[in-house]
Amino acid sequence: GQQVMQIPQYQHVQEGEDFTTYCNSSTTLSNIQWYKQRPGGHPVFLIQLVKSGEVKKQKRLTFQFGEAKKNSSLHITATQTTDVGTYFCAGQDDMRFGAGTRLTVKP
Amino acid sequence: DAGVTQSPTHLIKTRGQHVTLRCSPISGHKSVSWYQQVLGQGPQFIFQYYEKEERGRGNFPDRFSARQFPNYSSELNVNALLLGDSALYLCASSRGTGFILDTQYFGPGTRLTVL
Repeated sequence: GQQVMQIPQYQHVQEGEDFTTYCNSSTTLSNIQWYKQRPGGHPVFLIQLVKSGEVKKQKRLTFQFGEAKKNSSLHITATQTTDVGTYFCAGQDDMRFGAGTRLTVKP
Repeated sequence: DAGVTQSPTHLIKTRGQHVTLRCSPISGHKSVSWYQQVLGQGPQFIFQYYEKEERGRGNFPDRFSARQFPNYSSELNVNALLLGDSALYLCASSRGTGFILDTQYFGPGTRLTVL
């Protein structure tokens, strides 16, 4: 079955530094979704990528979908303390979530 | 509009008992999905229901069952609870049947502890 791997598992950055998390699938994905979960909270939908090579931006967040539709990335520019949380990717074919990347930001 | 609601917020059970968790989707959403999230891991898909019919099932034992009511609310039932069932149970609602291009909105979850 589809396997979705995320790296790194944890990332600690100084406020203002950039952050990137990577998502890799063992199979080609129809599309991919990204979610953010704050500590003690529930996953909140961020974005969906559908097309091969697609790039989408939301303010300081940049999302990419690989040409082969087997990998994706989320890049945050100039992190802020409000970015703290765990970022998950999910292959939507069978809604399989990665284990997430937990981001902590030191002010 | 109200978001996805779940009840109860927290629940403590002992091994062997059964539990029923409840979810009300966003108004106008016809699909409800259930997920199990163990601490430190991503959500694991359990079921999806649309128009009262099961449309998807994850790799969970038959102790897990669910149903959807005419008002689109849903229940998740777990029988013969095991310690390993301790987790946050999340409900997500979406407009239609397919996962494809369908945004899911998660509820706050029910924290189940099995002793």
